[in-house]
Amino acid sequence: SQTIHQWPATLVQPVGSPLSLECTVEGTSNPNLYWYRQAAGRGLQLLFYSVGIGQISSEVPQNLSASRPQDRQFILSSKKLLLSDSGFYLCAWSVIFSGLAQSYEQYFGPGTRLTVT
Amino acid sequence: QKEVEQNSGPLSVPEGAIASLNCTYSDRGSQSFFWYRQYSGKSPELIMSIYSNGDKEDGRFTAQLNKASQYVSLLIRDSQPSDSATYLCAVGKTSYDKVIFGPGTSLSVIP
Repeated sequence: SQTIHQWPATLVQPVGSPLSLECTVEGTSNPNLYWYRQAAGRGLQLLFYSVGIGQISSEVPQNLSASRPQDRQFILSSKKLLLSDSGFYLCAWSVIFSGLAQSYEQYFGPGTRLTVT
Repeated sequence: QKEVEQNSGPLSVPEGAIASLNCTYSDRGSQSFFWYRQYSGKSPELIMSIYSNGDKEDGRFTAQLNKASQYVSLLIRDSQPSDSATYLCAVGKTSYDKVIFGPGTSLSVIP
């Protein structure tokens, strides 16, 4: 079965500090990978998605970046955090079956709760 | 108009009642529709997927899709306090790569 891991689970960082969040998926190959952010009491905001190694699409211009150095590894980074970067960061995966709508199903990791102080 | 809209919550129902959650979407070409449950402080969990017009039942959950009206709903029968959570509606865009999530409806089941 497939498993998705995220770490750390919680993080408190000062404004202006760097950030690195990691997500790994087990039990599947060539998944689509996604980073979302959920601000307190708000909906899910798609930040980045990746359909393969080195292929990153950005949804929202901001001070965050993403990388996919390996097939099942997705990293979210920032050089300098802002107060507005606080939130619940979620990684998700889906597997593409060409021609099938089921390819849209996304499964989420446990999330990282980031507080920027 | 937002791409995916849901009932503004919170929705409160007594234990044992039917909870009805509604969602509308703007992209007429959308092909896949999902309901996620999110407990407070936890990540969303996929509970239902529906791709064709009509009803789809899974245990106490029934998803209903009407593409002509651009409407999808989730019914929870015999609601339990453990069903208290935020329910997110998600709609698959015409490309394969991503889905759009609604803002969520908070459900509270009162014992």
